[in-house]
Amino acid sequence: AQSVTQLGSHVSVSEGALVLLRCNYSSSVPPYLFWYVQYPNQGLQLLLKYTTGATLVKGINGFEAEFKKSETSFHLTKPSAHMSDAAEYFCAVRTGSTLTFGKGTMLLVSP
Amino acid sequence: DTEVTQTPKHLVMGMTNKKSLKCEQHMGHRAMYWYKQKAKKPPELMFVYSYEKLSINESVPSRFSPECPNSSLLNLHLHALQPEDSALYLCASRSGPNRGEKLFFGSGTQLSVL
Repeated sequence: AQSVTQLGSHVSVSEGALVLLRCNYSSSVPPYLFWYVQYPNQGLQLLLKYTTGATLVKGINGFEAEFKKSETSFHLTKPSAHMSDAAEYFCAVRTGSTLTFGKGTMLLVSP
Repeated sequence: DTEVTQTPKHLVMGMTNKKSLKCEQHMGHRAMYWYKQKAKKPPELMFVYSYEKLSINESVPSRFSPECPNSSLLNLHLHALQPEDSALYLCASRSGPNRGEKLFFGSGTQLSVL
């Protein structure tokens, strides 16, 4: 069965600092991996996804993630945090016809 | 149109009420989903419809009854709910294989059961 684990329920950064949100996956087959962002009282918005091909995936809002098979990781990064990046971030793996989500990481951005 | 629209945005109901949540998409997606999300938790899958037929029911109690009248609409009928059913209910649709099979989520219905 496929699953993802997000390390850290909360991550705090200063505005302008590097953002690093960690996600490790477990999968018996080549995984399809996703990062979603959720703002308060909103649905989930897709940031980026990895299926096959290039292991460095660029998404919206300046985010990117790198698929590392040797480390079973798919960490999300952004070089410079903005206040507007404060939200809940979910890593997910495709499981059949649906997604299995990690527990989420709340990103806090301070001025 | 790249949106999944959910109505109502907020709903308060008593335990004896009957209400329905509505979801609509006009992207031609043939798979639609209901998820339940409790505060500070990830979404949990409830139902999946594929080509208007129920393909997955994650052992959801019968007080939740899904319906897919056509390829653009998905309803969730609610009856005799419990306070612990209070949550954000998210609808999603999935694009086809030639569009990356991505899930698009609506903004959700925040449900409070009194």
